[in-house]
Amino acid sequence: QQQVKQSPQSLIVQKGGISIINCAYENTAFDYFPWYQQFPGKGPALLIAIRPDVSEKKEGRFTISFNKSAKQFSLHIMDSQPGDSATYFCAAGSLGRLYFGRGTQLTVWP
Amino acid sequence: NAGVTQTPKFQVLKTGQSMTLQCAQDMNHNSMYWYRQDPGMGLRLIYYSASEGTTDKGEVPNGYNVSRLNKREFSLRLESAAPSQTSVYFCASSGLRGQGTYEQYFGPGTRLTVT
Repeated sequence: QQQVKQSPQSLIVQKGGISIINCAYENTAFDYFPWYQQFPGKGPALLIAIRPDVSEKKEGRFTISFNKSAKQFSLHIMDSQPGDSATYFCAAGSLGRLYFGRGTQLTVWP
Repeated sequence: NAGVTQTPKFQVLKTGQSMTLQCAQDMNHNSMYWYRQDPGMGLRLIYYSASEGTTDKGEVPNGYNVSRLNKREFSLRLESAAPSQTSVYFCASSGLRGQGTYEQYFGPGTRLTVT
């Protein structure tokens, strides 16, 4: 049973556009929702994270929107740049254990 | 401060061979994890260690064993490698931070091919 469902699988966005990646979870005990960014040949790197007591968190061009009642959260990348081209993973969990989505391959073309 | 280090970076095994993947962290974290990453499958937890002296199964533990050698080191062993274990293996560590969050930090990965 997949604990975290992520969509879309791939995304192509023009430079300067907004990239949006969505995730949904089932377990209401989850209390930590991070996003990771991974470049080819590298390990995932923590990008931004949110806890369920807030509905939105912004860090620079990256924003997480969180909807607790719908059990959904999303990553918005504003003013997308070619350097943002990577694979993005959402995750959810509690007490240190995380369940990951299957990833979204983002391509930002100039 | 190297963060999380993994050895080796690449490995090719024949079916039935055994090997141990090594992981070490220098962030004084209590928890450590082993994941595998396969195309289109995301990251799946194999085993984790919440603290020194404890280990627990994750989502895909079959065919693997782990050892938490000390607070810094967490190894993953394949006793009899199978082609289905061809994957990229990531080690991660985490510690309790503010507001009860556990930020996981990943190593660079080991790319394993079993022929």
